[in-house]
Amino acid sequence: AQKVTQAQTEISVVEKEDVTLDCVYETRDTTYYLFWYKQPPSGELVFLIRRNSFDEQNEISGRYSWNFQKSTSSFNFTITASQVVDSAVYFCALTKYSGGGADGLTFGKGTHLIIQP
Amino acid sequence: GAVVSQHPSRVICKSGTSVKIECRSLDFQATTMFWYRQFPKQSLMLMATSNEGSKATYEQGVEKDKFLINHASLTLSTLTVTSAHPEDSSFYICSARDEGGPSYEQYFGPGTRLTVT
Repeated sequence: AQKVTQAQTEISVVEKEDVTLDCVYETRDTTYYLFWYKQPPSGELVFLIRRNSFDEQNEISGRYSWNFQKSTSSFNFTITASQVVDSAVYFCALTKYSGGGADGLTFGKGTHLIIQP
Repeated sequence: GAVVSQHPSRVICKSGTSVKIECRSLDFQATTMFWYRQFPKQSLMLMATSNEGSKATYEQGVEKDKFLINHASLTLSTLTVTSAHPEDSSFYICSARDEGGPSYEQYFGPGTRLTVT
């Protein structure tokens, strides 16, 4: 069985501060994919990043960066110089790859990020 | 980019009635679609995997007679909540896997908010 743990239920920081959202996962599969999604109040999921289990390179996209470490089963997400528009619920998710393609996602419980002006 | 639509975006129904939610892939074919449910302030939970031309696969604990899934074409899957009750009130989100793209790629619809009175 797969499991995703986001231990931080809610984080509140002041604008321009850096913030890291933690994600720890459990899986017995050797081929899997990890994701981060943003969910604003409208409810629509916004895709942020995908990583496969064979690619441990960290990634930076503008103010966003991701640190994938298989040794600790973690896939953490950092926002630098946070902005009010970053306020949302962020979900980390995991899926395995079956013969026909990726399965449905297992989501963590989400972290509600509040950026105060 | 690949677009997935859902209809309706919001629906209010009376207890005991049935409600049908549509999930369409607009610019790609999707043999496989997924249905998720999200209760207020909670995570997304995979309900079922919808396969074109065959029976859906339901996750443990999901009543298949209550949540009827029909995937009759390569671009349309429907979820029917039968004899809805207030506890079925939730945000239902679908995703579709692009058969013409990478097998790990799936795209989310904007969601349908169901309220049962």
